Amino acid sequence: AQSVSQHNHHVILSEAASLELGCNYSYGGTVNLFWYVQYPGQHLQLLLKYFSGDPLVKGIKGFEAEFIKSKFSFNLRKPSVQWSDTAEYFCAVTPLNDYKLSFGAGTTVTVRA
Amino acid sequence: SAVISQKPSRDICQRGTSLTIQCQVDSQVTMMFWYRQQPGQSLTLIATANQGSEATYESGFVIDKFPISRPNLTFSTLTVSNMSPEDSSIYLCSAREVSNSPLHFGNGTRLTVT
Repeated sequence: AQSVSQHNHHVILSEAASLELGCNYSYGGTVNLFWYVQYPGQHLQLLLKYFSGDPLVKGIKGFEAEFIKSKFSFNLRKPSVQWSDTAEYFCAVTPLNDYKLSFGAGTTVTVRA
Repeated sequence: SAVISQKPSRDICQRGTSLTIQCQVDSQVTMMFWYRQQPGQSLTLIATANQGSEATYESGFVIDKFPISRPNLTFSTLTVSNMSPEDSSIYLCSAREVSNSPLHFGNGTRLTVT
């Protein structure tokens, strides 16, 4: 079974700082990759996804992620964060044509105004 | 994208009792799932809710403890049976419209067992 590792448990940064959250997975085959976000008191929402094609994918709210197959990584980035980006971020992976999503442990991001 | 409603949103239950969580999707979906998110941990898949047949459970989860129903393409229930404090968690319903499409989630049910 595949596993997903998120390197940071809690990240604290100031507004306008750049953000990068690491995500690595262990699975040798083709995968679909996702980042989900959970704002305080809200449900999980899809931030962005990678299925195929350009390994640099852009999502909502200025987020992007880069799939590096050789490193089994799918890191999330945002050049300049806002206070409203305070949330918990989950990386998730599923093998191609599989329906089971494996989630990372999540990273709590706190942005200070 | 599908909108998923879960109820109750939270509950406090006594040890030994059971709680049924309802999940309603505003459109027909091919697949529905139940996840658990324990404090400080990631989401763990409990089972896939199959329409008109028994749910498919993941390792470590059994039907007697977590009976699931899915009578149609838009509705499912999860029951947490004979609860203990270790069952305190957030239970999440999710759905997928077609194969390989992203999962959508409900708001979750925060369960506390005393």
